Amino acid sequence: GDSVTQKQGQVTLSEDDFLFINCTYSTTTYPTLFWYVQYPGQGPQLLLKVTTANNKGISRGFEATYDKGTTSFHLQKASVQESDSAVYFCALVDSTGNYKYVFGAGTRLKVIA
Amino acid sequence: DMKVTQMPRYLIKRMGENVLLECGQDMSHETMYWYRQDPGLGLQLIYISYDVDSNSEGDIPKGYRVSRKKREHFSLILDSAKTNQTSVYFCAIGQGYTEVFFGKGTRLTVV
Repeated sequence: GDSVTQKQGQVTLSEDDFLFINCTYSTTTYPTLFWYVQYPGQGPQLLLKVTTANNKGISRGFEATYDKGTTSFHLQKASVQESDSAVYFCALVDSTGNYKYVFGAGTRLKVIA
Repeated sequence: DMKVTQMPRYLIKRMGENVLLECGQDMSHETMYWYRQDPGLGLQLIYISYDVDSNSEGDIPKGYRVSRKKREHFSLILDSAKTNQTSVYFCAIGQGYTEVFFGKGTRLTVV
């Protein structure tokens, strides 16, 4: 079945550092890919989405590019702020029509002021 | 704004008791989901519902069942709760491939 892998459990950065969170996926179909962000006490919320048509998503200074060759969808941000501290999930939904969203294990980002 | 309401937000149950988690939406979205979140495991799909009485198992359905008798409501039932079902449970709604929209979650502790 489909799967999403995030190998980094936690990332700790200082403000203004560059952020890179790794995500790879496996599916036999053409997926739509997502990054979700979760703040304490809340449910995950959509950060950005990419389809096979547009390849790159940008939102609130974050960006992710859909690379079919390496089946990766890494999240980047040029300069993080303390308010970016949260848990980030990579996710996919395949194109079979079952609408089952598959999530990675999540990466906890801690930004130190 | 889409709204997914989960009740209760916190729940403590004894092992062997029955548990009912409820979820409501105000958007009449066809698809609704139940996920559980555990540290290091991310969000795991328990059940998906495509509409009233049209439910399908997710990746970890064992020990759970669901009920959807109205489009706006989706319930998760644990018959005879176990300690390994201690988790945070999220309900979500979706419309095709656009995104899923989550509630705030229910933290269930089984003692």
